[in-house]
Amino acid sequence: AQKITQTQPGMFVQEKEAVTLDCTYDTSDQSYGLFWYKQPSSGEMIFLIYQGSYDEQNATEGRYSLNFQKARKSANLVISASQLGDSAMYFCAMREGRWSGGSNYKLTFGKGTLLTVNP
Amino acid sequence: GAVVSQHPSRVICKSGTSVKIECRSLDFQATTMFWYRQFPKQSLMLMATSNEGSKATYEQGVEKDKFLINHASLTLSTLTVTSAHPEDSSFYICSAGAAGRNQPQHFGDGTRLSIL
Repeated sequence: AQKITQTQPGMFVQEKEAVTLDCTYDTSDQSYGLFWYKQPSSGEMIFLIYQGSYDEQNATEGRYSLNFQKARKSANLVISASQLGDSAMYFCAMREGRWSGGSNYKLTFGKGTLLTVNP
Repeated sequence: GAVVSQHPSRVICKSGTSVKIECRSLDFQATTMFWYRQFPKQSLMLMATSNEGSKATYEQGVEKDKFLINHASLTLSTLTVTSAHPEDSSFYICSAGAAGRNQPQHFGDGTRLSIL
């Protein structure tokens, strides 16, 4: 069974509008973390935003915010005021399992959503 | 600036060649590094966890004799694709994390490997 599901293979948005990229996850762990990464066509992975399972408030980073609904196991990424440079693949990823802090953890990635921002 | 350096960025070579890819953490010590493989228009698949000073842990289905991993220092892990064949052509990307530092992992820029 897929642990991270991104149901939108592709999304289109008009420049300056907001867009929501969906992500649902499956885990039986109480402690886990959810990440969103951006991958432009050049290939590098750019970290955007993080939400811990115990975080009570939705994470925000500039134009990025995470709509975290724990009961529904969803962690959707909201990009406000889209820019042409936002066109890229977006991956949702999860850290789960035993974790002692720090950044030594495995990530499981979803299949990604290709976002295209139209002028 | 980049905190994880991956080299080379692109390799084109003949079938049967062994190819070494380096992943370096630039301003922190990485006791653990991760190697991923990504086919075109697909997700990143974890291949193995590279542990400094000990053997790598491979994910199910990944041939450890085909993909040799060495993590000889706290700042360097290498992935060697041995006797590469066209089906090994892919995008390989590493990530590194530091113990005790609650930050997202840092990714290298990836290596595009093409086997002719």
